[in-house]
Amino acid sequence: DQQVKQNSPSLSVQEGRISILNCDYTNSMFDYFLWYKKYPAEGPTFLISISSIKDKNEDGRFTVFLNKSAKHLSLHIVPSQPGDSAVYFCAASEGTYKYIFGTGTRLKVLA
Amino acid sequence: DAGVIQSPRHEVTEMGQEVTLRCKPISGHNSLFWYRQTMMRGLELLIYFNNNVPIDDSGMPEDRFSAKMPNASFSTLKIQPSEPRDSAVYFCASSADRVGAETQYFGPGTRLLVL
Repeated sequence: DQQVKQNSPSLSVQEGRISILNCDYTNSMFDYFLWYKKYPAEGPTFLISISSIKDKNEDGRFTVFLNKSAKHLSLHIVPSQPGDSAVYFCAASEGTYKYIFGTGTRLKVLA
Repeated sequence: DAGVIQSPRHEVTEMGQEVTLRCKPISGHNSLFWYRQTMMRGLELLIYFNNNVPIDDSGMPEDRFSAKMPNASFSTLKIQPSEPRDSAVYFCASSADRVGAETQYFGPGTRLLVL
C-alpha cells in the first residue's frame, strides 16, 4: 500500500512558467515532508521541506504548500528554468528517520 | 564539504558472486542510511545506523544482505550471493541526527547489475 503517491509520472512546462508538482499521502501521522530533486546518474538532492505546523514554506523560486485536511502537498517552481528538468520525489515522515518516498515526477522544462 | 561518497559507482557481476558497496558519510553526521531504488518498488530504506549502531534493518530483503559500520566514516553493504533481482541503484545517505527527522543527504549511488 503506497502511503505517498505522486500520480503524475511526468510534466512538461515552458521556461518561465510555473511548475506545480503534486503529492498525496494517506498516513495522518506524517508530520514532516520533503522534496528532493534527482538528476540522472546522481543521488537525490534535498530541495525544500515543511513541517505539519506550517502550510507554506518558501525558498527562492521554490514553494511547498501543505494541505493537511486533504493530505496533499505541492511544490511550486516559479519561474521554471531548463536546469530544473529532473525527477522530483516527495517524501514524508512521522518525525523520525523513516522517510517514505513517492515514485517521482519527471519534470521537463522546455526552452 | 565533499558530500556522501560511494564506491564503486557501477558494478557488474555474475550471479552467485559477492558484492560489496562502500559509503563514506558526511563528516560530523552520525546517522547513515542505505536505500535501494528499483523501478518496481521505488526508493526504499534498507537499513539505518545511528552512531555506528544498526537501529533498524527491517528493510533488508533477506539474509543475503548484510551491512556494517565499523566507524563513523565508513559503511559497507554486502550481498552474498548476489542474484539478478538484486540489480538496482543503491544509495547511501547521512544526516546530522540532532532532533527528529533531520534532512538526509544522499550520495551519487552505486548502479549494480547482476547477470
